[in-house]
Amino acid sequence: AQSVTQLGSHVSVSEGALVLLRCNYSSSVPPYLFWYVQYPNQGLQLLLKYTSAATLVKGINGFEAEFKKSETSFHLTKPSAHMSDAAEYFCAVSDLKDKIIFGKGTRLHILP
Amino acid sequence: DVKVTQSSRYLVKRTGEKVFLECVQDMDHENMFWYRQDPGLGLRLIYFSYDVKMKEKGDIPEGYSVSREKKERFSLILESASTNQTSMYLCASSFGLAVRTDTQYFGPGTRLTVL
Repeated sequence: AQSVTQLGSHVSVSEGALVLLRCNYSSSVPPYLFWYVQYPNQGLQLLLKYTSAATLVKGINGFEAEFKKSETSFHLTKPSAHMSDAAEYFCAVSDLKDKIIFGKGTRLHILP
Repeated sequence: DVKVTQSSRYLVKRTGEKVFLECVQDMDHENMFWYRQDPGLGLRLIYFSYDVKMKEKGDIPEGYSVSREKKERFSLILESASTNQTSMYLCASSFGLAVRTDTQYFGPGTRLTVL
């Protein structure tokens, strides 16, 4: 069965520092992977997705993620954190029955 | 822009009441989904629908039912609300051409409290 594991339910970084949010997946078939973001009091919105084209995927707001098959990882990065990046981030994988399986989420805190 | 709206942002109900949560999307999407979101558990799929009058159970359908009479509207029904159904409920829709790679568009959520 498909699944994702997000390492760290809370991550704190200083403003201007590198953001790294970790996601590992398990899939019996080539995976399709997503990162979604949820700002306070809002629904989720797509940051980026991997659909078997380029392994380095660029998304909105300066975020990117790299698909690494050998490590079964799809970590999310941003070179320089901004206060507006404070939110909850969800990694997700499509399963064989065309549903999306979400991770438990990582809440990103930005320290001034 | 795709817009997914949910009928209420906050809802307070009593145990045993019948509760309706409504969701409407304005982009002619084929697929619609209902999730519940709980701290530390992420999003869990309750039900989804690929077409009008079609529905499929997700991972946690117990205690819930759904209705999709029109393409743009997907309703979640709690037949007899219980306190363990206190949660944030999120509706989403997607285009439906390639479900495994489709982007899901989410509404703002309904925070339901059952007393």
